[in-house]
Amino acid sequence: DAGVTQSPTHLIKTRGQQVTLRCSPKSGHDTVSWYQQALGQGPQFIFQYYEEEERQRGNFPDRFSGHQFPNYSSELNVNALLLGDSALYLCASSFFFRDRVTDTQYFGPGTRLTVL
Amino acid sequence: DAKTTQPPSMDCAEGRAANLPCNHSTISGNEYVYWYRQIHSQGPQYIIHGLKNNETNEMASLIITEDRKSSTLILPHATLRDTAVYYCIPKLYNQGGKLIFGQGTELSVKP
Repeated sequence: DAGVTQSPTHLIKTRGQQVTLRCSPKSGHDTVSWYQQALGQGPQFIFQYYEEEERQRGNFPDRFSGHQFPNYSSELNVNALLLGDSALYLCASSFFFRDRVTDTQYFGPGTRLTVL
Repeated sequence: DAKTTQPPSMDCAEGRAANLPCNHSTISGNEYVYWYRQIHSQGPQYIIHGLKNNETNEMASLIITEDRKSSTLILPHATLRDTAVYYCIPKLYNQGGKLIFGQGTELSVKP
């Protein structure tokens, strides 16, 4: 049973460029959440997708957008990259409505984005 | 959202039990306590969660005080591979949503 996968592993971009990160959830999961982790900090919630819609959003600007596909995989897009966007981007998947007790999130290995 | 307090760092000898405390005095009645750990530069790994009863799985045990204001994660026989940052996170159940990570406890297991 494959866990959460993310691509690419590492990425280098320059300021002003746009980037797309990809996530495939754990088999059977239907909800995808994205987190940003700056160096030395804990992960911060960006947004969560369920049924191809953004369900919750953290305190991130509109430059951060996402999409969920019918197969539950997801993309995170960041436009007009800033130096401060350099971070580890984490994807987590979970059940939502199927699991009536809890909806434990399982994380992927992350994508390391460096903005020069 | 409940606030948590964890010691910034702890040491543990290999083979001994590691007891990691967390204070969550403002936790609400329908918030579970989740524990995750993160080994350097990897994604966080789910360990265990509980509401008010003690829980045990193949990785760890979770002891929650009767008033639910604090909890302790126990790794019964710590190994070098348990060296990581451990996060205690209260979270509402069955409502999707975000995990709020604090600074966590950096556990160093030493030979």
